[in-house]
Order: sequence, then C-alpha cells, then structure tokens
Amino acid sequence: EVQLVESGGGLVQPGGSLRLSCAASRFTFSSYWMHWVRQAPGKGLVWVSHINSDGSRAKYADSVKGRFTISRDNAKNTLYLQMNSLRAEDTAVYYCARDGGYDTPDVWGKGTTVIVSS
Amino acid sequence: DIQMTQSPSSLSASVGDKVTITCRASQNIISHLNWYQQRPGKAPKLLIYTASNLQSGVPSRFSGSGSGTDFTLTISSLQPEDFATYYCQQSYITPPLTFGGGTRVEIK
Repeated sequence: EVQLVESGGGLVQPGGSLRLSCAASRFTFSSYWMHWVRQAPGKGLVWVSHINSDGSRAKYADSVKGRFTISRDNAKNTLYLQMNSLRAEDTAVYYCARDGGYDTPDVWGKGTTVIVSS
Repeated sequence: DIQMTQSPSSLSASVGDKVTITCRASQNIISHLNWYQQRPGKAPKLLIYTASNLQSGVPSRFSGSGSGTDFTLTISSLQPEDFATYYCQQSYITPPLTFGGGTRVEIK
C-alpha cells in the first residue's frame, strides 16, 4: 500500500524554525509532484506548497512565501518543508500528499503537529 | 484566487438517509473539482475527482455531479462510517489549490 509518513513536528517558539520530513514508500516517488497542506485546530484544509517531480519548481501560498521552503530528495524518497520565522498562526497539523495529477492530492500522510507558542 | 463555498456547513442525518452537499466556485472551474472525506483525527481521503469520477475503493453510494461553478456530492444511503467532514477542492486555476470550508455530517 502506498504510504506517506510525516515527522519533525513539535513545539517551537515564535520566530523559530522547524523542518518537517515526509517519507514515501511503495510508489515511484520521483515521478510525482508533492504537496504540503495544513489544518489549524478546528479549522479547514489550507494548501501550503507544492513541488514538481524533479524538485526544480515550487510554489507557495502567500501566507508562507519567503518563510517556508519545500524540497525533496528523490534518492531518499523524502519530501521536506523548512519552516522559518514561525508565527502562532502557523500552528497546525501538516500533511504531505501525493499529487495524483492536475493538482489533485490523492494519497495523504497522517500528519505531524506543529505548535508555535512561547 | 478562486474561492470555494460549501453549504451547509453542517447537517444532521440518520443512517440510511440520502445526503447532498453543495460546493460553489467563485468562477468557472469547468469540472476540476475534487471531494474529500475527513474522519475525526484522521487524514483527508480522496472520494471523487474531476467532479464525478469515483476514486478507486470508494463505495458506490458516493457520487458527484456538476460543472462550471456549481457542484454536488451525494451520499445515497448514509452509513455509520460516513459521519465525517467533507471538503471540496478546485484544481483548475492553481496555485493556490483552494478548499471549501467543509461540511460536517453528524448523527441525528
């Protein structure tokens, strides 16, 4: 079964940094675009970023542009999200998701929780 | 950015009921509309893609319809495992991918 497992979440102070990872298995990771989507407590889903299959192109939501960086290591089947200058409003569960085509996330990880608080 | 508006935001229904959820886009998205189910504490799950195509493994009681700006998700006979929150998402003009605010389906 196709699997995505996120890690790296935790408690961080405002202004701090965190790097999330997403380990992919049982599919050809290097062939797929990938997304990060987040969900604040009790709120809906919000797209954060996506990256193309070879890692040469990435796009971001305006709310994270300039602070977050998406990247991937196809040799390690791993997606990353480097988060800098974190704010309280970045508190959320962060999901990585595989793109099934045409910006349709078709497989999701279970998520990792990021809490930004002093 | 394309705005997605779902209605209702919540509903109460009984097992066996037919349930309909609507999603409206702020501009024409042709048929580039996906539906997701999210059970409490779980990750979202893709149910329907490009408005009306059932994702592999999803029960046939789920169906989607619509085009342009107005879309519908229908559950023909609600089952206990269907109590969840449902989200629509447009994939026509991206980035950003945009989701509706969600519809919570509760037990009556």
